Order: sequence, then C-alpha cells, then structure tokens
Amino acid sequence: DGGITQSPKYLFRKEGQNVTLSCEQNLNHDAMYWYRQDPGQGLRLIYYSQIVNDFQKGDIAEGYSVSREKKESFPLTVTSAQKNPTAFYLCASTYGQGYEQYFGPGTRLTVT
Amino acid sequence: GQNIDQPTEMTATEGAIVQINCTYQTSGFNGLFWYQQHAGEAPTFLSYNVLDGLEEKGRFSSFLSRSKGYSYLLLKELQMKDSASYLCAVIQTGANNLFFGTGTRLTVIP
Repeated sequence: DGGITQSPKYLFRKEGQNVTLSCEQNLNHDAMYWYRQDPGQGLRLIYYSQIVNDFQKGDIAEGYSVSREKKESFPLTVTSAQKNPTAFYLCASTYGQGYEQYFGPGTRLTVT
Repeated sequence: GQNIDQPTEMTATEGAIVQINCTYQTSGFNGLFWYQQHAGEAPTFLSYNVLDGLEEKGRFSSFLSRSKGYSYLLLKELQMKDSASYLCAVIQTGANNLFFGTGTRLTVIP
C-alpha cells in the first residue's frame, strides 16, 4: 500500500535537546512538506522540498532544519533554537501543483 | 501576502445541511482545496476547485467564485462522523505550497 509514514506518533524531549522527526513516502512524489499545527490553529509551513537535494524555507523555518538526500525521505530536525517546539507536526507530499497533498499521520512532540 | 478567513466553530443537526464559508485574499491564485481533519489525525482531501462553479462529490460539494475570493463547502445529510475541522487552503500561482486557514470546527448534534 502506498502512503506516507511518520514516526514516532508521540515524542517527548527535554528542553535543549535536538530531535529528528521521520517522514517517508512511497508514492513516488517529488514534492514534500513539513507543517506545524498548534491547538486551534491552521497548518503553518516550516520547510518544503520540490526535488531531491533541494529545499526551501517556509513561513516559520527558524529553529528547524531539513535534508532531502532521497526522494522518499524528508526528515525534520527540531533544534534547541526553536523557542516553542511543542506542537503537532505533519508531513505531506504531492505530485505537483494542482494535485492534492497527502498527509502522514503526524508526530506530536512535547518538550519539557 | 495571503489571508484566509473561515468561521471558527459551527454546530448543525444530524441529517441537516451545513455550509462552511471561506474568503481569501492572495497575490495570484491557482486553486483552492478543502480538507477534513478529525481531532489528532491528519487532514484528508475533500475537494479541489480551480474554476468558478460547483463541484459535487457525494454528500459534499464545493463552490468557488474567483472574482469574489470566496468558496464554500456544503455538507448534506449530516452524520455524526462529520464532526471534524474543515480546512480551507489556497495555492498561489507558480507555487506548490498551500496556505491554510485556521479551520472551522463543526459539531454535529443528534
């Protein structure tokens, strides 16, 4: 079955630690995205990648980093520089413009 | 820049019809998506409009007026499972990125 996987579903970290969230897709999509969702808020774009070895900052990239070494994978690192990292993180992918974005199940990160 | 407005919350009765509105301002427009999101879960695709008019898909329909910067999602024969947040998102010309509104939380009551 094709789809997007994110792991883990729940993640707990201490303040000051970097943490990497996994996102894998087997849909053969070129474009991949990371969003953050806070309670009662819409999705805000962190980073996106249109093609392997290339990525762009979204609206709220500060304190985050990404890599796109393989078409299937787009991991997100939440660094200690991110001031308020506790949130629900969603990864998505798409064939391209005009096509729907498919979302992974999300990772709920709690930093204390 | 972009701006998307949706009502924060709505309540409707099982079996009824509900219309969720979305207005947007964007520099360049290349389509509007509606997604459904149950609490704690990922958004799932409902509809995509790029031309003016109504798109019907089962119990769900979506309408777009580009000249007015306006869309609505129409849900018919409401079921309890339709209780969820409904997200309106626009895509700008030349971009693959979606810009999301804050979503409308719909509660269906018996």
